[in-house]
Amino acid sequence: AQSVTQLDSQVPVFEEAPVELRCNYSSSVSVYLFWYVQYPNQGLQLLLKYLSGSTLVESINGFEAEFNKSQTSFHLRKPSVHISDTAEYFCAALKGGSEKLVFGKGTKLTVNP
Amino acid sequence: DVKVTQSSRYLVKRTGEKVFLECVQDMDHENMFWYRQDPGLGLRLIYFSYDVKMKEKGDIPEGYSVSREKKERFSLILESASTNQTSMYLCASTHGDERGAQETQYFGPGTRLLVL
Repeated sequence: AQSVTQLDSQVPVFEEAPVELRCNYSSSVSVYLFWYVQYPNQGLQLLLKYLSGSTLVESINGFEAEFNKSQTSFHLRKPSVHISDTAEYFCAALKGGSEKLVFGKGTKLTVNP
Repeated sequence: DVKVTQSSRYLVKRTGEKVFLECVQDMDHENMFWYRQDPGLGLRLIYFSYDVKMKEKGDIPEGYSVSREKKERFSLILESASTNQTSMYLCASTHGDERGAQETQYFGPGTRLLVL
């Protein structure tokens, strides 16, 4: 079974619409959870992360994610997207007891005018 | 400003060639990683190094080797390139110990390798 599952490979939305990118994790990974973003022709950069404490974490550009232990989920949301949010988004978790990240397969978000 | 650089953005090689991909970080990080990224498969870990001259296999090490002679530099080697190694290769780094486990992995811009 996959350790980190991103349920949607592609998500097309219109500008200013809300969006949710879904991510579920399995018991084989720790609950240190991350979302990374990859803009076209670039490497990955951290968007936000959950380590402990408040289950709702926010990024500086309006994205937020909520750690839900009972549903083993860490979905990413934004209430109103911009064209510039077009990118591929990767959910990741630390492998239990290690410093290695396990990545989901990615979700391509396309924001249309 | 933190920086991870990779020696080439694009590379074209022939089957059977020996290929070197270089990665350099300027953050004094202990841990360095090599991933390959393929459409629909996400990122898969090839090798991981937690210190100079130390290395650990990732999930897909077959056909690859690595070298870490200096802390800031981590090289990925394709001993005999094959067409199924055509991919995007990403290098990343982070601190070691508990800090590294919880901190951001910093990524280079990637090397897109085409093996003909």
